[in-house]
Amino acid sequence: GAGVSQSPSNKVTEKGKDVELRCDPISGHTALYWYRQRLGQGLEFLIYFQGNSAPDKSGLPSDRFSAERTGESVSTLTIQRTQQEDSAVYLCASSLVPAVGSEQYFGPGTRLTVT
Amino acid sequence: AQKITQTQPGMFVQEKEAVTLDCTYDTSDPSYGLFWYKQPSSGEMIFLIYQGSYDQQNATEGRYSLNFQKARKSANLVISASQLGDSAMYFCAMKRGSGSRLTFGEGTQLTVNP
Repeated sequence: GAGVSQSPSNKVTEKGKDVELRCDPISGHTALYWYRQRLGQGLEFLIYFQGNSAPDKSGLPSDRFSAERTGESVSTLTIQRTQQEDSAVYLCASSLVPAVGSEQYFGPGTRLTVT
Repeated sequence: AQKITQTQPGMFVQEKEAVTLDCTYDTSDPSYGLFWYKQPSSGEMIFLIYQGSYDQQNATEGRYSLNFQKARKSANLVISASQLGDSAMYFCAMKRGSGSRLTFGEGTQLTVNP
C-alpha cells in the first residue's frame, strides 16, 4: 500500500513569506506527527495529532508555526513570516495507533530553504 | 525529561564484520519503547528494530539485534555481517508512553568499507 507522502518535496521561499507543508498519512493511521531536522542533526518533535486533535503541540518553536489535521487524514503545517532559521527538512510520520510500541512510518520530507 | 545520547558521531567498519552503535537513554518512566532508524543519504527514515521496556528478551530483526541493558539504560544496535548498503546515519529514539513523541539522539554516521 501507499506510504506517507509529503508535498512539496522542496520549497524555496523568501524571508517573511508564509509556507504550507502537506502530509498525507497512511490510510487508517490515527496518529500523526511532525518533526524538523536541521542539517546534520537529529529529529526535533513539533506536534502530535490523534485523530483531528492535537494533544501535544509543545514542540512548536513559536507562534509563527501552526498545524491542523482534517478528516483524520491530511495534515498541513503552516509557517508564517518565515525566518532563515526555519530552513530544515520537515518530516511527517504516522502510526496505526499511538501505543508506545507502535512504529512510526516516515514520509520523505519537505526540504525548506528560506533565503 | 527524557534524553537520548549517541556518543559516536562516526563509525567505520569493514564489510562482513559486525559493528555496535551505542545508545544510552534517560527516563524515569517505567514504560517506554526504544527504536532504531536508518537514514541513508536519500533522507528517508527507515525503521530497523524496536525494544519495549518490559520485554524480557533482546529484540532481533535479521542482521539487526538490540543489546538492551535496562539497569545501565543502554540500547546498543548490533549490525552483523555489514554490507556496503549499511552506510548511513543511524538514529536511536525513545517513546515514553502512549501517544508521545519520539525523542531522537544526534545520530551515528556509519561507513562500511569494502
